[in-house]
Amino acid sequence: GENVEQHPSTLSVQEGDSAVIKCTYSDSASNYFPWYKQELGKRPQLIIDIRSNVGEKKDQRIAVTLNKTAKHFSLHITETQPEDSAVYFCAATRGAGRRALTFGSGTRLQVQP
Amino acid sequence: EAGVTQFPSHSVIEKGQTVTLRCDPISGHDNLYWYRRVMGKEIKFLLHFVKESKQDESGMPNNRFLAERTGGTYSTLKVQPAELEDSGVYFCASSLTGTANTGELFFGEGSRLTVL
Repeated sequence: GENVEQHPSTLSVQEGDSAVIKCTYSDSASNYFPWYKQELGKRPQLIIDIRSNVGEKKDQRIAVTLNKTAKHFSLHITETQPEDSAVYFCAATRGAGRRALTFGSGTRLQVQP
Repeated sequence: EAGVTQFPSHSVIEKGQTVTLRCDPISGHDNLYWYRRVMGKEIKFLLHFVKESKQDESGMPNNRFLAERTGGTYSTLKVQPAELEDSGVYFCASSLTGTANTGELFFGEGSRLTVL
């Protein structure tokens, strides 16, 4: 089955700096890679996703890159703000909407004002 | 529109007792998933329902866990008897099926289970 590794487990940045979270996956057939954000005491919510037919996707201050050859994908947050503080989970699956997601272990991002 | 709701939000039980967690998915979502997060680790898949049928239960750890979704609406996850290692946050998530499904999962806020 799929295995997703996520690094780092914790990340502290100054407000305004960039943050990068990296994930690797094992199943070369995986084709859908979402990122979920879980704020303290709240439910995980999808913030961005990418499918295997593209290498990069951007939405305002967040972007995701995918390297299928190396089987890794990354989340980039620019101009970080205190409200970006949360736990971020990457995930992968070979069947978006039809098969379960395999999640990484999460990254706790702390943005210092 | 109501989101995914889970009950209870927190349950504290003793080893050997039984606990039943409930999930109400978003109305019209045929896909329903149960996940569990043990402290500091990944959100681990338990099982997947499509309507009332178990599509994939490969993540269920053992036969102490029983999930049902009678009628294809809400789902329950029963742990009997509970062990210490069952402690964690149990998440339920739902999504649409077919062409309307974008892949996005809609999560509940989780049920935190503490087994003493």
